[in-house]
Amino acid sequence: AQSVTQLGSHVSVSEGALVLLRCNYSSSVPPYLFWYVQYPNQGLQLLLKYTSAATLVKGINGFEAEFKKSETSFHLTKPSAHMSDAAEYFCAVSGATSYDKVIFGPGTSLSVIP
Amino acid sequence: GAVVSQHPSRVICKSGTSVKIECRSLDFQATTMFWYRQFPKKSLMLMATSNEGSKATYEQGVEKDKFLINHASLTLSTLTVTSAHPEDSSFYICSARDRGTQNSPLHFGNGTRLTVT
Repeated sequence: AQSVTQLGSHVSVSEGALVLLRCNYSSSVPPYLFWYVQYPNQGLQLLLKYTSAATLVKGINGFEAEFKKSETSFHLTKPSAHMSDAAEYFCAVSGATSYDKVIFGPGTSLSVIP
Repeated sequence: GAVVSQHPSRVICKSGTSVKIECRSLDFQATTMFWYRQFPKKSLMLMATSNEGSKATYEQGVEKDKFLINHASLTLSTLTVTSAHPEDSSFYICSARDRGTQNSPLHFGNGTRLTVT
């Protein structure tokens, strides 16, 4: 079984400040991990993914995440927040095949204060 | 990049009628597609896994007779909400993985906002 927890349903940062969104996972098989972003009334856009290669993963829009097996974590960071980063962020876990379900965390709403 | 097209983006229907939502992978083939439901300010709840050429696999608690899924080809899956009621109002999102790409992530459609009056 797999599950995802995201600490903090809402995070608020100042423009230009560091963004840190937390994600912890549970998986009975080697996990693939993903971060998605969702803007209001839209579908989800992939930010980045971890698929057992490099543990530090770089994504779009300046985001990156580090896979830490010992901590079962996959936290998302961005050095400097931009107003356009305000959105809902979802961490997700799955197995390795195209048939595996993707299980989503509860999401974290990011607000950026000018 | 891989594109998933979902149609319609928004639909309003009367209670008791049925609504069909289409999900197409435009530039890749998807043996498996997934249907999610999202409540306001909530995460995505997996409803069912749609398998090309076979029956869908529904998650626990999801009524298969209420939410009919058909995966007629490697690029098309449909979700039909039958005899819709106001409590079926929600945001429905489909997704698919490119079976031809190793380690493919899920690609999402833009969702369908269903309102049942």
